[in-house]
Amino acid sequence: GAVVSQHPSRVICKSGTSVKIECRSLDFQATTMFWYRQFPKQSLMLMATSNEGSKATYEQGVEKDKFLINHASLTLSTLTVTSAHPEDSSFYICSARDLTSSYNEQFFGPGTRLTVL
Amino acid sequence: GQNIDQPTEMTATEGAIVQINCTYQTSGFNGLFWYQQHAGEAPTFLSYNVLDGLEEKGRFSSFLSRSKGYSYLLLKELQMKDSASYLCAAMDSNYQLIWGAGTKLIIKP
Repeated sequence: GAVVSQHPSRVICKSGTSVKIECRSLDFQATTMFWYRQFPKQSLMLMATSNEGSKATYEQGVEKDKFLINHASLTLSTLTVTSAHPEDSSFYICSARDLTSSYNEQFFGPGTRLTVL
Repeated sequence: GQNIDQPTEMTATEGAIVQINCTYQTSGFNGLFWYQQHAGEAPTFLSYNVLDGLEEKGRFSSFLSRSKGYSYLLLKELQMKDSASYLCAAMDSNYQLIWGAGTKLIIKP
């Protein structure tokens, strides 16, 4: 099956620093990747849709200047949390859609747990 | 607007059967997904329905009624490892997933 990796799996940083999270589709090309955020005991919240070679589409209420998304290749998308603050601490999950699959389902990376001190 | 409703929490006994319901309203429809998510982990794909009827896959089955905007996930012979959150998601006309809040399933011995 399709595999999506995410790096790092866990990061702790100081307030005011920037953190980059990578999402890679390992065995398929992903023209579209999605970035989600999940707070404890809550459901997934879509932050943005990342399309290869074009600007990401952000959901309402998500600051595009704070959460920078780059999807420079068909297998890699990055999310940079700029000037992170404690309220940005969350579980960030990426997913990629494999258009060759029968179901168009999204395959999820293992997630990145961000803790901002 | 687009909306997905599913119960917040359910409790069932090991070895029993449980049905998790989901109703949806979306702009267009390209299928209904069920995902399983264990605490602290990313969701994993369970099933996909786009036509009316029941899809069976081992201990798990998923049902869809497009006319009613309704789906359910049926889990048989429950095991303790089935304790997790179950997420219902409908794919709209833009192939974007609209997510429910998830149903936390608690399995008791």
